[in-house]
Amino acid sequence: AQKITQTQPGMFVQEKEAVTLDCTYDTSDQSYGLFWYKQPSSGEMIFLIYQGSYDEQNATEGRYSLNFQKARKSANLVISASQLGDSAMYFCAMREGRGFKTIFGAGTRLFVKA
Amino acid sequence: KAGVTQTPRYLIKTRGQQVTLSCSPISGHRSVSWYQQTPGQGLQFLFEYFSETQRNKGNFPGRFSGRQFSNSRSEMNVSTLELGDSALYLCASREASGNYEQYFGPGTRLTVT
Repeated sequence: AQKITQTQPGMFVQEKEAVTLDCTYDTSDQSYGLFWYKQPSSGEMIFLIYQGSYDEQNATEGRYSLNFQKARKSANLVISASQLGDSAMYFCAMREGRGFKTIFGAGTRLFVKA
Repeated sequence: KAGVTQTPRYLIKTRGQQVTLSCSPISGHRSVSWYQQTPGQGLQFLFEYFSETQRNKGNFPGRFSGRQFSNSRSEMNVSTLELGDSALYLCASREASGNYEQYFGPGTRLTVT
């Protein structure tokens, strides 16, 4: 069965430093997609980055990069040069190629300190 | 392009009532998914619609239902509301069914008293 694990309930990072949010997944499918979303206190889920299981290079979107290690089934999110506005909940999610649903991890709350 | 819109944003209902939530996807997006978010259970998949057909359903009782119209707008209905149905209901749209990024609306916060 599909499963997404985020082991860090909360993380602190100093402004302008980089931070890595961990995500491991479990699936028996060869085709799947991995996503990261940001949810500020306002509640809206903001799409950050996507990695396909067949993508050979790690995905990057501005200050966000996804460290994809397929053999270890991990898809960690790296945020470079943290900003105060990065304080939010971050969710890792997975969607299997044949399935029609996305499952989410429990989330990591990131606090950026000035 | 306008983003995903959800109405209403906030709703208060009493136990036993029913409620209908609406979601308008991004123009051109044909897939709409619904999620329930609670502090205890996190984000849980309810169902996904693509071209007016329900493609998959999460582990929710039959009181939760939905539909999609020909213009891709979707509605979700919850009948016989229970206190535990209090949650943030999020709708997300994607261009097509499959491994594409999905974009979320602001959510409808439902409180059942």
